[in-house]
Amino acid sequence: DAGVIQSPRHEVTEMGQEVTLRCKPISGHDYLFWYRQTMMRGLELLIYFNNNVPIDDSGMPEDRFSAKMPNASFSTLKIQPSEPRDSAVYFCASSFWDREIHEQFFGPGTRLTVL
Amino acid sequence: AQSVTQLDSQVPVFEEAPVELRCNYSSSVSVYLFWYVQYPNQGLQLLLKYLSGSTLVKGINGFEAEFNKSQTSFHLRKPSVHISDTAEYFCAVSVYGNKLVFGAGTILRVKS
Repeated sequence: DAGVIQSPRHEVTEMGQEVTLRCKPISGHDYLFWYRQTMMRGLELLIYFNNNVPIDDSGMPEDRFSAKMPNASFSTLKIQPSEPRDSAVYFCASSFWDREIHEQFFGPGTRLTVL
Repeated sequence: AQSVTQLDSQVPVFEEAPVELRCNYSSSVSVYLFWYVQYPNQGLQLLLKYLSGSTLVKGINGFEAEFNKSQTSFHLRKPSVHISDTAEYFCAVSVYGNKLVFGAGTILRVKS
């Protein structure tokens, strides 16, 4: 299995532009998570989906952020308009439910720089 | 709400020395505990997890952790570290089995 795939790996954009981050979870996984990692705030959960349905988006910082999961193999995180304070590494993770706690498998991340 | 405190932001240690990375959590209910490792420019990967049963949990790369309910701790240990263990280590807690709350991370720097 290729693991969780994220694209792009690096994104540099200017303030005010729209940014779309993409994630392909591991096949068969029914949970998908979006995290943001910064030096100041550490690793924060933004939103997570179960069976393509958003379950908890309480971590989404503001209305400029939106996430979708149109099918089991694809999710996007969009920032519109982007701001310099959005600069961070964004991780996508996926997992599947079994009788016990499952492991989250992380992608390599997208490093976003907003100028 | 659950929270995780990693008591050390950085831990320098010489190669082949033992190391302990400390983690304390707060929760009013039973929890599940995890340690993840992040190598430079990579995502996180699971080192070990405590769900129930034996309080001493063994993970990959020779790491182990001990769950102490009375002290609400889940410290990570390795008896002899290698240069390749240099990475950032995250302690995490889960209550409902899917949502993780992470600590701030501890950077382990192994020196030769």
